[in-house]
Amino acid sequence: DAMVIQNPRYQVTQFGKPVTLSCSQTLNHNVMYWYQQKSSQAPKLLFHYYDKDFNNEADTPDNFQSRRPNTSFCFLDIRSPGLGDAAMYLCATSSVLGTAVGQPQHFGDGTRLSIL
Amino acid sequence: GNSVTQMEGPVTLSEEAFLTINCTYTATGYPSLFWYVQYPGEGLQLLLKATKADDKGSNKGFEATYRKETTSFHLEKGSVQVSDSAVYFCALSDRGYGQNFVFGPGTRLSVLP
Repeated sequence: DAMVIQNPRYQVTQFGKPVTLSCSQTLNHNVMYWYQQKSSQAPKLLFHYYDKDFNNEADTPDNFQSRRPNTSFCFLDIRSPGLGDAAMYLCATSSVLGTAVGQPQHFGDGTRLSIL
Repeated sequence: GNSVTQMEGPVTLSEEAFLTINCTYTATGYPSLFWYVQYPGEGLQLLLKATKADDKGSNKGFEATYRKETTSFHLEKGSVQVSDSAVYFCALSDRGYGQNFVFGPGTRLSVLP
């Protein structure tokens, strides 16, 4: 089945130690998103890629960066994680085909990040 | 801007009870509407969707009808099971992508045997 895969499912890092989370998709969708979710609250959008174009949310901390080397893969880099960055990180994709109709997003199972 | 409002949780029901989770929205234009479900420790799964007024989305016994006159998209199920215990998110998108995808705050459902 086509899907969105996030690795690892659980990640533990130390305060201030850089960490990278990965996401891959077999859906061939042109848009990929990264969300942060705390305590079953609504996911908070950090940034998204429309093809290779990067779009950052205004309130996303500079500590968070992203890379999309190709259509299938997208990475979230946290340069110096703080205790407040402990959360579930969700990757999602959608397909934009030039239609004005809003499209659903398809989510991976997430990576739960813990900071020691 | 666009917004989604959901009924406050948590909602606790007995098995086989009828479920309604209210969702109303504010949007310019004609958004698509979605319900997502999140089981403990997992990502969000698309439960159902509707793209225009009077559309009914349905899946796994859940239904929701796009009501433009009341700007609502209430989720219903006739007989809930313990396995339906999860957090449910109503969401809208008024374009194809990006920050125009708006989630409601989520409603936690607990179903007791």
